Amino acid sequence: DAKTTQPPSMDCAEGRAANLPCNHSTISGNEYVYWYRQIHSQGPQYIIHGLKNNETNEMASLIITEDRKSSTLILPHATLRDTAVYYCIVRVRTTSGTYKYIFGTGTRLKVLA
Amino acid sequence: GAGVSQSPSNKVTEKGKDVELRCDPISGHTALYWYRQSLGQGLEFLIYFQGNSAPDKSGLPSDRFSAERTGGSVSTLTIQRTQQEDSAVYLCASSSGQGLLPLHFGNGTRLTVT
Repeated sequence: DAKTTQPPSMDCAEGRAANLPCNHSTISGNEYVYWYRQIHSQGPQYIIHGLKNNETNEMASLIITEDRKSSTLILPHATLRDTAVYYCIVRVRTTSGTYKYIFGTGTRLKVLA
Repeated sequence: GAGVSQSPSNKVTEKGKDVELRCDPISGHTALYWYRQSLGQGLEFLIYFQGNSAPDKSGLPSDRFSAERTGGSVSTLTIQRTQQEDSAVYLCASSSGQGLLPLHFGNGTRLTVT
């Protein structure tokens, strides 16, 4: 019951910006959007998260639309080491007060030399 | 500092046997999650522990699956009478509380049921 949809795969030229889209049209007002990435044979790695404002850190930028129904993760200068599966996740608070991070199938990003 | 540690990294077992998978979260982290990742798939939520509260077991696929967290630290995921469809990577993650702080994942245990 993932609450996000992402394209299954994307390619990006090395040194270019990689823009990874995510749709979360059923997101609620207090649910955050998180991005993780998973490099082969490793556990997922946190990248960035946001609620409604755009966010930037040393790894990436997160652009969230005003209606919060979609977002875009931007890797400003992709390198070969950014090749990974990128997951857009909505953090859901359950009725029992716990939090679930519902992962979809992600976008497989391939950075090309 | 030390991250989330999972053991064993690989486990091969025969169908019908029981297995135990261990997770050592980051020291001081009160929240602990278990996920399962089948080949080429995303992560499937299994169970969530938060402090001394009752765990959220809503993701456990059958009553063959159970998990414990002793002393608010180490967690063990047990699969009884393993089936071939249980073959997957089992990932553990921890976080320091219910707030905005992100999950830190281990590298998982790859379980193969023959």
